[in-house]
Parts: sequence; C-alpha cells; structure tokens
Amino acid sequence: GENVEQHPSTLSVQEGDSAVIKCTYSDSASNYFPWYKQELGKRPQLIIDIRSNVGEKKDQRIAVTLNKTAKHFSLHITETQPEDSAVYFCAASIIGRDDKIIFGKGTRLHILP
Amino acid sequence: SQTIHQWPATLVQPVGSPLSLECTVEGTSNPNLYWYRQAAGRGLQLLFYSVGIGQISSEVPQNLSASRPQDRQFILSSKKLLLSDSGFYLCAQGQETQYFGPGTRLLVL
Repeated sequence: GENVEQHPSTLSVQEGDSAVIKCTYSDSASNYFPWYKQELGKRPQLIIDIRSNVGEKKDQRIAVTLNKTAKHFSLHITETQPEDSAVYFCAASIIGRDDKIIFGKGTRLHILP
Repeated sequence: SQTIHQWPATLVQPVGSPLSLECTVEGTSNPNLYWYRQAAGRGLQLLFYSVGIGQISSEVPQNLSASRPQDRQFILSSKKLLLSDSGFYLCAQGQETQYFGPGTRLLVL
C-alpha cells in the first residue's frame, strides 16, 4: 500500500524567512496531495492541495510543488509569520480507486521572533 | 457547506469503562466517514472508515469498534477502555478532500 514519508519532523525558522517541508510517496498511482495545518489543540485544516496533472500551485504565501517522476512533493511558506507556527501534515491518495488518505507523520514548525 | 459535529468535546473515563463517541455530518449526503486517533504530539492514525450505512472498514486491530446507523452518523465505541486509548479522536468526512470535525479529547485514567 501507499506510504508517505515527511521531513523534517521539526523545523525552526526565523520570522520572515522561508520554510520548506518535503514529502515522498511510494505509489505512483497517487494523484491527489493535500496539506493540512494543525494548530495546538485544534483540528487539522486543509491549507492547500495539488493534483497530479499540475506541477505547482500557489496561494498567497504558501505554495506546493509536485515531482511525479521522483514521487515527491513539497510545501513552501514564504515570509513566515508567528501564526504559521503549527504542525503540518502532507498526505497522498488515489482518487477513484481508494477511499483513504495516507498521511505523513507531521512537521512541527516553529517561527522564531 | 459541510459541518461536522462531535461530542463530547472532552471526556475523562476510568479504565475498563465503556465508550461511545458520536459524529454527525450536515450539508452532504452519503459521505465517506472516518475515525482517526491522535496521541499527544503524534500523527493521525486511521481507525475506521465507512463508505455507506452499515459498511465499516477497520484499519487496526484494537478494542474499539465503529458503527454507522444512519447516513450522516458515525459512532466509535468500546466495551472496556484501556489506558492506551487516551488521545484526540477526530471524525472526518469527504471523498477526495477530507474535512475534520472539532475532535473529542479522551483521557483514560
């Protein structure tokens, strides 16, 4: 079955700098890749997603890139702000075949003042 | 838009006691429904999912069970709680993108 690896597990960046979180997946049939942000004590919330027919997607300060050949995808946050501090989860699924999303183990992002 | 309700929000239960957590969904029909558990500081562990009434798939062997008596109702149960059942229980719905409910924080003492 699908396996999603996420790195790093913890990331600290200076406020205003960029943060990058990387994920790899094992099943080349995966075609949908959502990213979730979970603030302390709250539910995970979708922040951006990308489908396999697109290589990059951007929404204000966040962007996601997908390399299907290498089977990896990344989340980029630019001009980081204190409110970006949270745990971020990547995930992969196969729309039309599976009913499950496979999550990475999460990255705890700390934005330093 | 879809809304997911979970209750209770917080629960403290003794070891060996029963458990029933409820999840209801509004604003959508025949949703895929999921139960996840998140231990403190850890990732999301898929426990059960359901693609329709009475259809339950179990992901991990455990002392928990799930039921879907109605289209938009998903229940997580246990006959006897263990200490290791403590955690943050999240219900989610969706067929492509999953959206999470507010969660139930369970502490087993």
